Amino acid sequence: SQKIEQNSEALNIQEGKTATLTCNYTNYSPAYLQWYRQDPGRGPVFLLLIRENEKEKRKERLKVTFDTTLKQSLFHITASQPADSATYLCALRGSARQLTFGSGTQLTVLP
Amino acid sequence: KAGVTQTPRYLIKTRGQQVTLSCSPISGHRSVSWYQQTPGQGLQFLFEYFSETQRNKGNFPGRFSGRQFSNSRSEMNVSTLELGDSALYLCASRPPGEATEAFFGQGTRLTVV
Repeated sequence: SQKIEQNSEALNIQEGKTATLTCNYTNYSPAYLQWYRQDPGRGPVFLLLIRENEKEKRKERLKVTFDTTLKQSLFHITASQPADSATYLCALRGSARQLTFGSGTQLTVLP
Repeated sequence: KAGVTQTPRYLIKTRGQQVTLSCSPISGHRSVSWYQQTPGQGLQFLFEYFSETQRNKGNFPGRFSGRQFSNSRSEMNVSTLELGDSALYLCASRPPGEATEAFFGQGTRLTVV
C-alpha cells in the first residue's frame, strides 16, 4: 500500500541551527512533492513544491531535496528562529490522484 | 484575492445528529478537497470535487458525503454523528493545472458530545 512517513514526530533544535526534516514514501511514483507548514488550529500553508527532475529547490531560508531513487525528500530550515516552530507536512499525489499528506513533524525552535 | 472560507468555524453537535459544513474556494479554483484532521490520524483525505463531480473519495464510511455547486462552493455532510467524528475539517482549493499547491481554509472544528 502507499505510505508517506515523516520519521520524527517532534524535533527540538536551538535557534540559529539548521533543522532537517525527512519525508519517506513507498509505492508512489510522484511527479512532484510538496511541503506545507501548519500552525495549531489553522489550515496548512504551502511552502515549496519540487518536481521529480529537480534535485534541489530553495526559497529564502528553506531548502528541499528530492531523491526519487531513495524515495525521500529532505526539508531544511537554515538559521532557524522560534517563529519557525510549527508542524511541517509533506504531501504527494498518489495513483488515485488525491493529495495525500504525511503525519507531520512538529518542530520547536528553542531560543 | 479572498482566501478559502469555511463556515462555521466551530460547531458542537450531539451524537446521532447530522451536520453540514460549507467551503467557498478561491475565485477561479474549481477543485475542492476535504480533509479530516485528528491528533491520532493526521490529515485524512475525504473527497475531492471538480466541476461539480466527485473525482476521488477517501476511505470513509458512507455517512460522509459531499457535493459541489456550479459556483465551485462545496458542502460536506456527516450523518448520524459519532464521538469519533470530532475533528478539524479542512477544505482546500486548487487552481487549474497538475502541479499546483493546495490553499486551505481555517477549518471547522466539530465537537460531537
